[in-house]
Amino acid sequence: KQEVTQIPAALSVPEGENLVLNCSFTDSAIYNLQWFRQDPGKGLTSLLLIQSSQREQTSGRLNASLDKSSGRSTLYIAASQPGDSATYLCALDQTGANNLFFGTGTRLTVIP
Amino acid sequence: NAGVTQTPKFQVLKTGQSMTLQCAQDMNHEYMSWYRQDPGMGLRLIHYSVGAGITDQGEVPNGYNVSRSTTEDFPLRLLSAAPSQTSVYFCASSYTGRTGGFDEQFFGPGTRLTVL
Repeated sequence: KQEVTQIPAALSVPEGENLVLNCSFTDSAIYNLQWFRQDPGKGLTSLLLIQSSQREQTSGRLNASLDKSSGRSTLYIAASQPGDSATYLCALDQTGANNLFFGTGTRLTVIP
Repeated sequence: NAGVTQTPKFQVLKTGQSMTLQCAQDMNHEYMSWYRQDPGMGLRLIHYSVGAGITDQGEVPNGYNVSRSTTEDFPLRLLSAAPSQTSVYFCASSYTGRTGGFDEQFFGPGTRLTVL
């Protein structure tokens, strides 16, 4: 079974800092990987989707990379802002499965 | 577009009661799914549907039923609520469910359920 790990579970950074969130997985037979943002008490919002054939995707200040051979994905956030404070989850769409496999998330706090 | 909507937002049940969580989407998505989110365990799939009239079980289906009579609606029924079903429930949809992978998933705001 696919295991998805996100370390650290929580992260605090001062405003303006660049930061990297990590997602590791055990089975590289995937279709794609998605990064989501979840605000407290709210649903998930899709940030970026990387197909298995891609190495990275960019949206504004966000850049997500995918390295299937090492079982890793990173989400890079440039020039962090207090509004970036949320929990960030990665999810894998595994070949042969009928659901996404989610990590438990990294709770990010950006301090003004 | 309203996107994915869920009702109710909060619900408290007593053990043994039944109820239905509602989910609707207005994006003409074929694939819809229900997840539960528990602390420290991530989101786990309960049931999913690849189109009207087609449903299947996910990772944790016991104690739940679903049906999909229309493209728009995908209700989740708790047959006899148990304290172990205390959780936050999310409905999600995407344009297609398979064949080369899921498209971008859209999530509803969630239903927070407490079973006493």
